[in-house]
Amino acid sequence: TQLLEQSPQFLSIQEGENLTVYCNSSSVFSSLQWYRQEPGEGPVLLVTVVTGGEVKKLKRLTFQFGDARKDSSLHITAAQTGDTGLYLCAGYNAGNNRKLIWGLGTSLAVNP
Amino acid sequence: AAGVIQSPRHLIKEKRETATLKCYPIPRHDTVYWYQQGPGQDPQFLISFYEKMQSDKGSIPDRFSAQQFSDYHSELNMSSLELGDSALYFCASSLAMNSPLHFGNGTRLTVT
Repeated sequence: TQLLEQSPQFLSIQEGENLTVYCNSSSVFSSLQWYRQEPGEGPVLLVTVVTGGEVKKLKRLTFQFGDARKDSSLHITAAQTGDTGLYLCAGYNAGNNRKLIWGLGTSLAVNP
Repeated sequence: AAGVIQSPRHLIKEKRETATLKCYPIPRHDTVYWYQQGPGQDPQFLISFYEKMQSDKGSIPDRFSAQQFSDYHSELNMSSLELGDSALYFCASSLAMNSPLHFGNGTRLTVT
């Protein structure tokens, strides 16, 4: 059973469109992180959210942590081809702060 | 800013050979993690070290071992290599055990 469910698994959109990626769980997380990974490279940390209801913005990316700290979303406005990559959510479960739990990732392709 | 350094970047080995992967964490980071990532998969946690002691163990095969040295660099030793060991191996470091991870660019291991 996947503790962190990410959806959609694959997404192919045109440049300029908006999109939202979801990361859901039935468990409470003390913090959630979003990473972006390009082929052959290591995941790069985009943001960490720790407070329920928290919203963080990184240029055209908006991250939200659910009020109950069980889910998170990543919204990209006016996607660009440079946004193409694998987006991974990961979090520290409130019951086990030592082990990072990973979602399976969302593979995003932004077409020109 | 200094990042996590991994070497080598690429490694080709034959079945039943051994391999050693090295990782140099970001200065002052005391926790090191090793991950294995197959094509199209999320990173699979292998093992982690905190202050030179093993802190957590994931799906690391018995054929693999790892350690963290006094200068905080870590090595992943892989013996009796199998074709299925071909993957990207990432090292990550963090400032503390429940902090966001900073990944290296990985070692691509190919076993022929």
